[in-house]
Amino acid sequence: GENVEQHPSTLSVQEGDSAVIKCTYSDSASNYFPWYKQELGKRPQLIIDIRSNVGEKKDQRIAVTLNKTAKHFSLHITETQPEDSAVYFCAASRGTALIFGKGTTLSVSS
Amino acid sequence: KAGVTQTPRYLIKTRGQQVTLSCSPISGHRSVSWYQQTPGQGLQFLFEYFSETQRNKGNFPGRFSGRQFSNSRSEMNVSTLELGDSALYLCASSGTSLADTQYFGPGTRLTVL
Repeated sequence: GENVEQHPSTLSVQEGDSAVIKCTYSDSASNYFPWYKQELGKRPQLIIDIRSNVGEKKDQRIAVTLNKTAKHFSLHITETQPEDSAVYFCAASRGTALIFGKGTTLSVSS
Repeated sequence: KAGVTQTPRYLIKTRGQQVTLSCSPISGHRSVSWYQQTPGQGLQFLFEYFSETQRNKGNFPGRFSGRQFSNSRSEMNVSTLELGDSALYLCASSGTSLADTQYFGPGTRLTVL
């Protein structure tokens, strides 16, 4: 079945730096790749997503890139702020299911 | 629109009991997916319902089951609870397309003693 690997598991940056989280997936049929942010005690919130017919998508300080040949996709956060501190999950579609990576705990210190 | 709601928010049960969790999707959404979140295994897909039919299923034992009603509300049931079933159970709703965005509810925190 689909497997999603996410790295790193923890990431500490200084405010204003960039953060990059990488994911790889195994199922070549996956065609939808969302990223969720989960703050402590809260529900996962979609921050950006990309579909297989697009190579890159940006939304203000957040961007996602997708390389279907290599089966990997990445989340880029620029000009990080303390409120970006949270756990970030990548996911790949398997039909109607989302298969999630294990998460990256991002800490942004001021 | 109101978001996805889940009830109850917290549950404490003992081993061997059964439990039913409820999820109300965003108005107009017909797909409801269920996920189990634990510190060790992360977010794992349980099953997905669309128009009262299970359309997709994860790799969980038969003790985990679900259903969906005609108003798209969904319930999941866990029978013969085990300690390892302690987790945050999240449901997510989405529209009709296969790759529609999934919006999560706040979750039900289940503790099995």
